[in-house]
Amino acid sequence: GAVVSQHPSRVICKSGTSVKIECRSLDFQATTMFWYRQFPKKSLMLMATSNEGSKATYEQGVEKDKFLINHASLTLSTLTVTSAHPEDSSFYICSAIASGRGQRSYGYTFGSGTRLTVV
Amino acid sequence: AQSVTQLDSHVSVSEGTPVLLRCNYSSSYSPSLFWYVQHPNKGLQLLLKYTSAATLVKGINGFEAEFKKSETSFHLTKPSAHMSDAAEYFCVVSDSNPGGSYIPTFGRGTSLIVHP
Repeated sequence: GAVVSQHPSRVICKSGTSVKIECRSLDFQATTMFWYRQFPKKSLMLMATSNEGSKATYEQGVEKDKFLINHASLTLSTLTVTSAHPEDSSFYICSAIASGRGQRSYGYTFGSGTRLTVV
Repeated sequence: AQSVTQLDSHVSVSEGTPVLLRCNYSSSYSPSLFWYVQHPNKGLQLLLKYTSAATLVKGINGFEAEFKKSETSFHLTKPSAHMSDAAEYFCVVSDSNPGGSYIPTFGRGTSLIVHP
């Protein structure tokens, strides 16, 4: 149990366009999802915490207007990179935690990640 | 406040020899602790977790970790390394008290290199 599906796994886009990344919890409801960015040979940097039905909470230094997060249902959160630039190229990973049971049952389940390349 | 320190950025072992990846943490409440593994260009996979039950936790692929409160440590071990164990390993801490932060905090990661 506790599977998170992240799509797409790889995307290449032109500079100035927008890209949407989806994160779905397949067999559990996730009231909270996290979005991370990982730079080469670095740990994961938390970008924002997404709560179903409310606005996301962004970490300091993360541009809210650039990284739009929507968590419209208990099984889906999306991250949209708007007006992408080459410096936005990175590995983006989502994580979800099961509502109710929380981390004691499942821990934090991660998606397989999205490799974004902006050319 | 919570933090986690992975003491080694790289660990190099020979195939068939023991593995030790070190992790120390600090937490204001009773922590939950996790180890994740990440293979190149892949997402993170949960190896094991400690959530205030048995202090010796067994995970997948022969890994285990021992929670030592007196030493604030949660080191990851495996008796015999396999080539397929070569990957990045992350130690993660999260306060489990409802009044504390439940956002997981990641260590910087340890690269495990396995030589034939």
